[in-house]
Amino acid sequence: EIVMTQSPATLSVSPGERATLSCRASQSVGRSIAWYQQKRGQAPRLLIYGAFTRATGTPDRFSGSGSGTEFTLTISSLQSEDIAVYYCQQYDNWYTFGQGTKLEI
Amino acid sequence: QVQLVESGGGIVQPGTSLRLSCAASGFPFGDYGMHWVRQAPGRGLEWVAGIWDDGSKKNYGDAVKGRFSISRDNAVNTLYLEVDSLRAEDTAVYFCARKGGVGTLDNWLHPWGRGTPVTVSP
Repeated sequence: EIVMTQSPATLSVSPGERATLSCRASQSVGRSIAWYQQKRGQAPRLLIYGAFTRATGTPDRFSGSGSGTEFTLTISSLQSEDIAVYYCQQYDNWYTFGQGTKLEI
Repeated sequence: QVQLVESGGGIVQPGTSLRLSCAASGFPFGDYGMHWVRQAPGRGLEWVAGIWDDGSKKNYGDAVKGRFSISRDNAVNTLYLEVDSLRAEDTAVYFCARKGGVGTLDNWLHPWGRGTPVTVSP
């Protein structure tokens, strides 16, 4: 099983600042990684797939990068509506999720 | 628009069974792989099971192998999850999700339903 490890577990960022979330895979997954946003009480929502492609409706302040085993989700200028838990997921070999990064102000 | 609506959850005793359903609309259901993902209270996401568009291939997460069974009926646009021998640790919200695209590599999950809660308690 491919293990996905996210860091940090919690990230505190001021509005307007940049937020950088990391995800590491236990073996190479190429670019088969997605990022999801989950707000309290809601279902997860796809933000990024293929490591860097924004899903329809994802604001351009969200960007993804990386390949192989190291990946990053960057929010260029944090907005209050971005407060959520963010999960990375590999889909190179079925599916595994990271444990999540809680983003707070 | 694309919509996934789960149902069938509830409060059940350990050792019992449930059948969860996911009604799909707004897209050609038979063209897409489908999945179940669960989330225990206060915890992260765990992939549970997946099934190919034609139902010919299925796979399961290690925690549920041998106890859960995924199936689909393309004639009525519905995905199912039979959950047997339920344990306290199966308590979770169960989401259904669609494979992101019809291409072989389009394996991200989008969209997701709102989930159905399952509570296993004596």
